[in-house]
Amino acid sequence: AQSVTQPDIHITVSEGASLELRCNYSYGATPYLFWYVQSPGQGLQLLLKYFSGDTLVQGIKGFEAEFKRSQSSFNLRKPSVHWSDAAEYFCAVGAPGTASKLTFGTGTRLQVTL
Amino acid sequence: GAVVSQHPSRVICKSGTSVKIECRSLDFQATTMFWYRQFPKKSLMLMATSNEGSKATYEQGVEKDKFLINHASLTLSTLTVTSAHPEDSSFYICSAENRGQLNYGYTFGSGTRLTVV
Repeated sequence: AQSVTQPDIHITVSEGASLELRCNYSYGATPYLFWYVQSPGQGLQLLLKYFSGDTLVQGIKGFEAEFKRSQSSFNLRKPSVHWSDAAEYFCAVGAPGTASKLTFGTGTRLQVTL
Repeated sequence: GAVVSQHPSRVICKSGTSVKIECRSLDFQATTMFWYRQFPKKSLMLMATSNEGSKATYEQGVEKDKFLINHASLTLSTLTVTSAHPEDSSFYICSAENRGQLNYGYTFGSGTRLTVV
């Protein structure tokens, strides 16, 4: 069974500082990997996804993530955080192919101080 | 592109009544949609997978007679919470699978906050 671990429940960074949110997964092969962001009371917005190919993936809002097969990780990064980035971030994994169910991590709440 | 509309965004109902939540893919066809439930400050829990024209597949522990799912067209799936009770109060989110070759992925609705009083 696939699983996702986001070891950091809550992270606080200063505006302008760099950010890295950790995500580790368990899956027998290379899965589909996603990062989503959720603002309070809202649905999820896709930041980026990885299916295959280049292991460094660029997303929206200046985010990027790097797939490291050897570490079973897909960490999310941003070089300079903005106050508007404060939200809940979810990493998700799915089996390759269509109609696969996504398994979500428990989420990391990002707080940005001015 | 790839927009999913979910309605209503908020609903309050009395205990014992039923509530229907709609999930529409606006600019793509979705053979498969997913329904999630999210508890406060928690992750998303998959309730069921909705397939157009066939019965939904429910996750273990989810009562299919209580959470009725209908996926009658390629752009609409509905979740009906029947005989709602206060413990059904939660945030429900739908997701639609976009099988477009250029933008394959899963698009989420904005969620429905259900409060049962």
